[in-house]
Amino acid sequence: GDSVTQMEGPVTLSEEACLTINCTYTATGYPSLFWYVQYPGEGLQLLLKATKADDKGSNKGFEATYRKETTSFHLEKGSVQVSDSAVYFCALPYSGAGSYQLTFGKGTKLSVIP
Amino acid sequence: NAGVTQTPKFRILKIGQSMTLQCTQDMNHNYMYWYRQDPGMGLKLIYYSVGAGITDKGEVPNGYNVSRSTTEDFPLRLELAAPSQTSVYFCASSRLRGVDEQFFGPGTRLTVL
Repeated sequence: GDSVTQMEGPVTLSEEACLTINCTYTATGYPSLFWYVQYPGEGLQLLLKATKADDKGSNKGFEATYRKETTSFHLEKGSVQVSDSAVYFCALPYSGAGSYQLTFGKGTKLSVIP
Repeated sequence: NAGVTQTPKFRILKIGQSMTLQCTQDMNHNYMYWYRQDPGMGLKLIYYSVGAGITDKGEVPNGYNVSRSTTEDFPLRLELAAPSQTSVYFCASSRLRGVDEQFFGPGTRLTVL
């Protein structure tokens, strides 16, 4: 079945460091791919998405490129800030009957220290 | 716009008690969802609805019930609470299914003792 595997955390970085959170997926066909972010005490919110192979999603300085050859959608940021401290989830639409749910990875907690 | 709102934010239940988690959205979305989030895990879909009067089971529906009498509201009912239902519950909505962005509420943290 469809699944998402993402880098386990927690990840602790100093401010202005580079970030990469790995995400690979198993799915039928070429689904849209998403990164959601959950700030402390809040619900999830969409960070970026890519709807087809080779697409690059970007938002708030974060980027992720849809690589069908490696079935990956790694999240990257060149210079993290303290305000980026959050839990990041990779997700894809479930491809079974109905296709209503999102399949989420387990989440990667990022802490950025000044 | 308020988006997706959930009440209560926190609740402690005793084993065997019942409660309803409320969810309301003001975006006129047809699709609504209930997820649970356990520590160190992703979200699991409990129930979803494709419109008023239509609901269906997700991945982990046992011990829960839902109803959808209006487009705006999608309450989740826990009957006979059990410690395994200790979790954070998120309600979400979307305009379309599948590839569309889902908008999440702030969550309800439930503890069953």
